[in-house]
Amino acid sequence: AQKVTQAQTEISVVEKEDVTLDCVYETRDTTYYLFWYKQPPSGELVFLIRRNSFDEQNEISGRYSWNFQKSTSSFNFTITASQVVDSAVYFCALSEVNSGGSNYKLTFGKGTLLTVNP
Amino acid sequence: KAGVTQTPRYLIKTRGQQVTLSCSPISGHRSVSWYQQTPGQGLQFLFEYFSETQRNKGNFPGRFSGRQFSNSRSEMNVSTLELGDSALYLCASSPSGESDTQYFGPGTRLTVL
Repeated sequence: AQKVTQAQTEISVVEKEDVTLDCVYETRDTTYYLFWYKQPPSGELVFLIRRNSFDEQNEISGRYSWNFQKSTSSFNFTITASQVVDSAVYFCALSEVNSGGSNYKLTFGKGTLLTVNP
Repeated sequence: KAGVTQTPRYLIKTRGQQVTLSCSPISGHRSVSWYQQTPGQGLQFLFEYFSETQRNKGNFPGRFSGRQFSNSRSEMNVSTLELGDSALYLCASSPSGESDTQYFGPGTRLTVL
């Protein structure tokens, strides 16, 4: 069975600090996708980034960057120069491939509550 | 494009009643998935519909059911409500479900008294 672990329950930083959210996953699939979603107090899950299992190239998108390492089954997410509006719960998720070969189900971690203080 | 919409946003029911939640996917998206979010269990997959057929199902009792219409809109039904069904129910859509990113709606917060 797939599993996603976000060891950090809560993180509090001061505005403009960099913050890294950790994610460790378990899967037997050779093809899978990893995601980060953000959930502000309004409740809607907002898609942030996605990475497939064959692409370990780490990228930067604006203030967001991610570090995907298959050797350690980790998919960490970094926010540079954090802002108050970044305050939310962040979820790491892993997609599961069903018998037909399609990714249909997301397995989520428990989430990390990020509070950015002014 | 408009995002995923869910109605109603808030719902209060009593034990034993049944409830129907509605989800309209992003235009052109044919796959709709439902998730339950509770403080204790976190986010859990309920089921996925594609082309009016339930294609995948999570580990929930038969009291939880759903359907999808020809316009890809989906409804979820919970019968004989229990206190433990109180949760945020999130709907997500994607073009085909295969290797696609799922985009979520704002959710329906259900409270069972």
